[in-house]
Amino acid sequence: DGGITQSPKYLFRKEGQNVTLSCEQNLNHDAMYWYRQDPGQGLRLIYYSQIVNDFQKGDIAEGYSVSREKKESFPLTVTSAQKNPTAFYLCASSFKVVDRVSNQPQHFGDGTRLSIL
Amino acid sequence: KQEVTQIPAALSVPEGENLVLNCSFTDSAIYNLQWFRQDPGKGLTSLLLIQSSQREQTSGRLNASLDKSSGRSTLYIAASQPGDSATYLCAVIGSSASKIIFGSGTRLSIRP
Repeated sequence: DGGITQSPKYLFRKEGQNVTLSCEQNLNHDAMYWYRQDPGQGLRLIYYSQIVNDFQKGDIAEGYSVSREKKESFPLTVTSAQKNPTAFYLCASSFKVVDRVSNQPQHFGDGTRLSIL
Repeated sequence: KQEVTQIPAALSVPEGENLVLNCSFTDSAIYNLQWFRQDPGKGLTSLLLIQSSQREQTSGRLNASLDKSSGRSTLYIAASQPGDSATYLCAVIGSSASKIIFGSGTRLSIRP
């Protein structure tokens, strides 16, 4: 079955440590996204990528980094510069439309919950 | 700047009732609006997508409406069931941007 796989489901970060969250999709989607969700709040966009080897900052990119070396994969690194990383992280993907956003809905993974040790 | 608001933050109703969830947005220049469902500790599942030229979309017991001029959308759930208990989020894509702006959601609880 096609879908988005995020791993791990739970992750703990020590002070000063970088951690990487995995996101893999087999939906043949061009666009991939990373969101952060805090309790009682909506999703906030961290980074997004419309094509391999290209990505753009979202609204809260500081303290995060991404790469898009393969169409299927869009890992997110939470660096030590992110002082408040405790949150639920969601990865999503969608088809790309040539010059506008797709009318197809985004598909989401089941998330990674990151906590601080 | 586009802002999306969902009120109330939480709602509890007895099983079998019809109910309406509300979503409002500040900039009427949207490309489309989506309603999502999120179960605890899970990702989002798309329920309905309404393009800016449409007034409503239906899927089973769900009906979503869109009034761009007033900046409002509603999600109508008919004959609610305990399995409908979840958080429902709406999100809009502005016509000049490629980002989706999410509301903070309404946590729905259906009492048996």
